[in-house]
Amino acid sequence: EAQVTQNPRYLITVTGKKLTVTCSQNMNHEYMSWYRQDPGLGLRQIYYSMNVEVTDKGDVPEGYKVSRKEKRNFPLILESPSPNQTSLYFCASSSLPLWRTEAFFGQGTRLTVV
Amino acid sequence: EDKVVQSPLSLVVHEGDTVTLNCSYEVTNFRSLLWYKQEKKAPTFLFMLTSSGIEKKSGRLSSILDKKELFSILNITATQTGDSAVYLCAAPHDRGSTLGRLYFGRGTQLTVWP
Repeated sequence: EAQVTQNPRYLITVTGKKLTVTCSQNMNHEYMSWYRQDPGLGLRQIYYSMNVEVTDKGDVPEGYKVSRKEKRNFPLILESPSPNQTSLYFCASSSLPLWRTEAFFGQGTRLTVV
Repeated sequence: EDKVVQSPLSLVVHEGDTVTLNCSYEVTNFRSLLWYKQEKKAPTFLFMLTSSGIEKKSGRLSSILDKKELFSILNITATQTGDSAVYLCAAPHDRGSTLGRLYFGRGTQLTVWP
């Protein structure tokens, strides 16, 4: 089954404790992205990747890092999480640029930073 | 400053009603406009529109684009409770190396009462 898998689905952590949210897709897609979704603000793009070792910033990259060492994986790293990073996070992948085709989204990771 | 503006933000109707959701966008190098449906968690793709005046249809849902006036509408006829969701509109970033960037609107929360 074609899917985008995020882990964990729920995470509560403390300020400053480094964490990684993993994202994996089994569709051999070149394009992958991370979004955060906050009430009243919609989906905002954090980072995206066009291929292995090729990444670029989205609209809200501050406080986040990503890496794309393998085509299927695109982890999101929070080196020093802060409460304002409490949000619902989505990973997405697509075979073409996002404006040319549908994106497939993971089920989301609900992160709470206390 | 929002690049993609959706209205209304919230809509409550009864089963059988017809609804129209609006999306206006402000990008200078238009390529496409996309609609997604978000029920509970992950957004799922509905339509991609690239040309004015061409209506896309899928069952009771249809969408049309007006490139001159920079807006799109999503129509849902004979609504059902299963149509209750957040409907998201998205357009690609319009500057620079933007292959992977996509702006989402804040969404329209549609609630269909039985």
